[in-house]
Amino acid sequence: EAGVTQSPTHLIKTRGQQVTLRCSPISGHTSVYWYQQALGLGLQFLLWYDEGEERNRGNFPPRFSGRQFPNYSSELNVNALELEDSALYLCASSLKYNQETQYFGPGTRLLVL
Amino acid sequence: SQQGEEDPQALSIQEGENATMNCSYKTSINNLQWYRQNSGRGLVHLILIRSNEREKHSGRLRVTLDTSKKSSSLLITASRAADTASYFCATDATGANSKLTFGKGITLSVRP
Repeated sequence: EAGVTQSPTHLIKTRGQQVTLRCSPISGHTSVYWYQQALGLGLQFLLWYDEGEERNRGNFPPRFSGRQFPNYSSELNVNALELEDSALYLCASSLKYNQETQYFGPGTRLLVL
Repeated sequence: SQQGEEDPQALSIQEGENATMNCSYKTSINNLQWYRQNSGRGLVHLILIRSNEREKHSGRLRVTLDTSKKSSSLLITASRAADTASYFCATDATGANSKLTFGKGITLSVRP
């Protein structure tokens, strides 16, 4: 069974640009979660999508947004990139919410110059 | 602020020794989970312990949970060089609506 996949693996952008990250969950999983792992800050919860709807959002500005498609894959969009957006962005999926294990993808490493 | 706080921040042991890592949290939880991360890549789920459980085992892993002290420990027995990684505890807080809150992690180095 294929795990969570993310693309691209690495990305370099400049300040002010926009970026789109992609995530495909494990087959059969309906929930997708996005996390940011910036150096020294640990993992920070960004967004949770389930059945195409945004269910929860972390403490991030509105320029972080996303969506989930009918096939349960998801995109994370970041507008007006800032230097501090440089981080590893991790996507996870689960079968259902609450007390279920989240399975993580390998991440997309974003560098903002 | 971080819900889970692990300690120590870094741990270096010899292969074959046991490694004990601790996690403290602040609010009531549904469950607590431990994850491993190799070289800044994706996280691998290790074990989940529910709030009504006190101890759980999985292979060489033993997790305890003390909800009265709001703390958990992860014990890796007979460590191997391949256990070298960062370890994170994550809490599924009551009412957090599936939001997992991670600590900053513990860097474990196992010397061959």
